[in-house]
Parts: sequence; C-alpha cells; structure tokens
Amino acid sequence: QKEVEQDPGPLSVPEGAIVSLNCTYSNSAFQYFMWYRQYSRKGPELLMYTYSSGNKEDGRFTAQVDKSSKYISLFIRDSQPSDSATYLCAGDSGAGSYQLTFGKGTKLSVIP
Amino acid sequence: DVKVTQSSRYLVKRTGEKVFLECVQDMDHENMFWYRQDPGLGLRLIYFSYDVKMKEKGDIPEGYSVSREKKERFSLILESASTNQTSMYLCASSPWTSGGYEQYFGPGTRLTVT
Repeated sequence: QKEVEQDPGPLSVPEGAIVSLNCTYSNSAFQYFMWYRQYSRKGPELLMYTYSSGNKEDGRFTAQVDKSSKYISLFIRDSQPSDSATYLCAGDSGAGSYQLTFGKGTKLSVIP
Repeated sequence: DVKVTQSSRYLVKRTGEKVFLECVQDMDHENMFWYRQDPGLGLRLIYFSYDVKMKEKGDIPEGYSVSREKKERFSLILESASTNQTSMYLCASSPWTSGGYEQYFGPGTRLTVT
C-alpha cells in the first residue's frame, strides 16, 4: 500500500517563481505532516511540521494540510537557486508510533 | 542546533564482511533511527530505538542488527554484508516529546558492497 505519494518530478522553475509541491496520503490516522529538504549527497533536513489541518508559515515556506482530501502542500515563494533539492513529505499518526511514512520525494531545480 | 554524526561518509566492503555503522547525536534525544535510501524506493526504516538497550524492528530488518548501549550512540550492524545492501544509510534522532515526527538526520553513509 502506497501510503504517501509524491510526483518525483523533476520540476524546473525560474528563479523568483512560486513553487508548489504536493503529496497525497491514504492513512486517516496521520496527525503530523512533515516536509524535509535533501540536498544531493546529504541527509534530509527537517523544514517544518504541522499538526492536523491548516497552514504554517516559516519565511518563504508555507505548509498546508487538508485532511478532508488527504492532501499536503509546500509552497515556496520567491524561489532561489539554493532551494534546488529533493523535497520529501512525510506523515505520522503521532500515537507513539515512531514510524514516519515518507513520500519518495520531488526533485526541484530553480534556474537562475 | 541538533547534530547527528555518522562515522563514515563513504565505505567499501566485501561480500561476507561484518560491517559496523556508527551514529552519535548530541541533543540528548531518546529516539534514534536507522534508514536506508535507495533510488525509486525512498526512505525505508530498518530499526529504531526509543531508549538505551531497547530496539524495535522497522520495515526491513532482515540482514541487520542494532546496538544501543549509550543514549547518544546507535549502531547498525550488517552481520554478513551482501551486494543488495549497497545503499545510502541514514541515521536520525528525535526527542521523546515528539515520538517520531520531529526527526533530525545525519549526513549519511554511502556503503558499497562488492
């Protein structure tokens, strides 16, 4: 069962564009939703996490969760070449499960 | 800043060798995790530990074992390395308060088994 699905891309955008990255999930028990950024040959870096439905903003990044449609989004405003990376979404039930379910990642390239 | 370090960035081993991958975190986190990451398969959990000397199997524990003798250190052991264990291995830690959702990763060890 593919619990978290993500379009692998690659996605190429010009510098300054608004980027929208999306995931769908199937596990209704998910309460926490995470976005990780992974640069080439590096470990994933936690960008932000949200609890339940709603929006969370951190600088140029906004995470959005719609539990009714099981849809997770990450928006990047004023994208920069340094945002070029693979973005992984993940879900967790939060009930002491300890096990995140990751999407396979979307590769983003921001072209100067 | 949370810092998770792994003993090697690149490792080349022969089939049948016993391989030790070490992970150390400096944020006093209770939970530690070992993943492998392969193209097209994403991140897959091998084992995790929520306390010293405690361990739980993840999705793909076969061929691996772990050891956690100290809170800050979590070791992954490949008892007899095989070519299908060639992969990127990632260690992560998270605080007890978050369970597993707030995980911080190390830089990874790229293991090649020949």
